[in-house]
Amino acid sequence: NAGVTQTPKFRVLKTGQSMTLLCAQDMNHEYMYWYRQDPGMGLRLIHYSVGEGTTAKGEVPDGYNVSRLKKQNFLLGLESAAPSQTSVYFCASSDAPYGYTFGSGTRLTVV
Amino acid sequence: SQQGEEDPQALSIQEGENATMNCSYKTSINNLQWYRQNSGRGLVHLILIRSNEREKHSGRLRVTLDTSKKSSSLLITASRAADTASYFCATDAKETSGSRLTFGEGTQLTVNP
Repeated sequence: NAGVTQTPKFRVLKTGQSMTLLCAQDMNHEYMYWYRQDPGMGLRLIHYSVGEGTTAKGEVPDGYNVSRLKKQNFLLGLESAAPSQTSVYFCASSDAPYGYTFGSGTRLTVV
Repeated sequence: SQQGEEDPQALSIQEGENATMNCSYKTSINNLQWYRQNSGRGLVHLILIRSNEREKHSGRLRVTLDTSKKSSSLLITASRAADTASYFCATDAKETSGSRLTFGEGTQLTVNP
C-alpha cells in the first residue's frame, strides 16, 4: 500500500554539491515523472520516463539528469546544485492516460 | 508556459457553501484532470474528464468541460473545512499523446468553519 515513495524528504545542499533523489513505486506503472513546485508557478515537468530504460526532457530539464534502470525506480540527479534549484520536488507515476499517483515530496534548499 | 490557468487564484468561503474553480487551457486535449494538494503534501487525483465528455460527477465534485471554449470548471458542493487545499487542473494534450500532463498554477481554497 506504499504507492510512490520519495527519499529523502528534506535536504540542504551547498552550492556546487551533488545529490540524487530517489523515487520508488510499487504499482507496476510504466510512466514516471519528476516535477518541481515553486510558489506561484504550479508544477513544472523536469524529466519523465515512458518505460524502463527510457527518459525524456520536460519543460525545465537544465541542471538535472535522470535514470530509469529499473521499472519501479526513477532517479533525479543534481550534478552541481545552484540556489535556483531550491524547490519542492515531486515524483509521480501513472499508467497513462489515467490519473497520476504522487509522492509526498522532497524539500530541497541550496545555500 | 503553463497549459492550464486556474481562476480565481484564491477563494475563501463559509462551510456549507459551494466552491467553483475554473481552468482555461490552450491546445487540444485528450483529457483534463483535477488534483487536490493539502499544505505540505503531494497532489491527489480527484477526477478525470475526457475530451468527448461534457460533465462528470464524483461525490460532491462536479466537473464540466467545454472544449470549444477550452475551459473546465470544478464545483465542490456543500463544502467542508477539510476541503481547504489547493486545487490544480492538468491537461493531457493531444500533441504529447498521453505521455505527460501540464499543470496550472492552482486555486487556493479556504473553507471557514
